[in-house]
Amino acid sequence: GENVEQHPSTLSVQEGDSAVIKCTYSDSASNYFPWYKQELGKRPQLIIDIRSNVGEKKDQRIAVTLNKTAKHFSLHITETQPEDSAVYFCAAGRIPPNNDMRFGAGTRLTVKP
Amino acid sequence: DTGVSQDPRHKITKRGQNVTFRCDPISEHNRLYWYRQTLGQGPEFLTYFQNEAQLEKSRLLSDRFSAERPKGSFSTLEIQRTEQGDSAMYLCASSLVYGSTGGRADTQYFGPGTRLTVL
Repeated sequence: GENVEQHPSTLSVQEGDSAVIKCTYSDSASNYFPWYKQELGKRPQLIIDIRSNVGEKKDQRIAVTLNKTAKHFSLHITETQPEDSAVYFCAAGRIPPNNDMRFGAGTRLTVKP
Repeated sequence: DTGVSQDPRHKITKRGQNVTFRCDPISEHNRLYWYRQTLGQGPEFLTYFQNEAQLEKSRLLSDRFSAERPKGSFSTLEIQRTEQGDSAMYLCASSLVYGSTGGRADTQYFGPGTRLTVL
């Protein structure tokens, strides 16, 4: 089955700097890669996702890149703000059927004002 | 609130007791998933339903765990004879799948979770 590894486990940046979180996956059939943000005591919330037919996707200050050959994908947050502080999870799965998504262990991002 | 809801939000129980959690998905979603999340880890897949059919169960789901979705809407997750190792956050998610073979599956949206503490 799929195995997703995420690095780093913790990341601390100054406000305004960029943050990069990287994930690798093992199942070459995976074609869907979402990123979730989870604030303390709250539910994971989707912030961006990418499918395997796309190499990069941007949404304002966040972007995700995908390298299918190397089986890794990354989340980039630019101009970080204190409210970006949270745990970020990457995941990988196959659509169809989208029933076996596997999550990374998470990265705790702290943005210092 | 039209998102995924879960009840209760917190449950404290003694070892050996049975507990049941409920998940109400987004109303038009036909897929419902259960995950377990322990501290410092990502969500781990437990099981999922398409409409009322339970299509897959993870090896993590021991015989003490059972899930139902009798009418294809809300779902319940029951844990019998709870153990301290069952303490975790139990998350529910839902999504909308188009087409009979799931050819187009929408994003999974998570509920707030039920935090279970087994004493």
